[in-house]
Amino acid sequence: DIQMTQSPSSLSASVGDRVTITCRASQSISSYLNWYQQKPGKAPKLLIYAASSLQSGVPSRFSGSGSGTDFTLTISSLQPEDFATYYCQQSYSTPRITFGQGTRLEIK
Amino acid sequence: QVQLVQSGAEVKKPGASVKVSCKASGYTFTSYDINWVRQATGQGLEWMGWMNPNSGNTGYAQKFQGRVTITRNTSISTAYMELSSLRSEDTAVYYCARGSNCGGDCLDVWGQGTTVTVSS
Repeated sequence: DIQMTQSPSSLSASVGDRVTITCRASQSISSYLNWYQQKPGKAPKLLIYAASSLQSGVPSRFSGSGSGTDFTLTISSLQPEDFATYYCQQSYSTPRITFGQGTRLEIK
Repeated sequence: QVQLVQSGAEVKKPGASVKVSCKASGYTFTSYDINWVRQATGQGLEWMGWMNPNSGNTGYAQKFQGRVTITRNTSISTAYMELSSLRSEDTAVYYCARGSNCGGDCLDVWGQGTTVTVSS
């Protein structure tokens, strides 16, 4: 199975900060990488698909980049509603997908 | 609107089985895969399995092989996930999610989640 490792596991930031979350795959997955946001008590929400494509309705402050084994999710200017947990997910081995362990973004 | 609506919370005893339903609306049920993902309290997302509602083909994570069964009833646009031989570690929120072709599957629509509690 393809393993996905996110870093950091948690981070604290302030409104207006630029934040980057990293996801590394255990083997090359080309651009088959998606990002999700999850708020407490809610289902995950798709933010970015195919490494860098913004899902419809997602604010443009979110962006994704990378290919092969290393990927990043960037939030250009944190808003109060962005404090949540973020997950990466590989779809290279579709339908057998796997998720990263999550990155919890907290208010400093 | 496109949505997946899941059945309500369940409480089961160890060794029992649970069957969770996921009703699709707002799109053609047979045109998109259905995935099942679970999340224990305070933990991450864990993929359990997948089904193509058109063909009925399924695939399961190795961890759940032999214990999980995903089925569907196309006449009512509903998918089901049954997990057997329940143990306390199966206590979690179970989600169904639609798989869209984003160059590989991305999960673009999610159900609201079903809490399954396993307790004696």
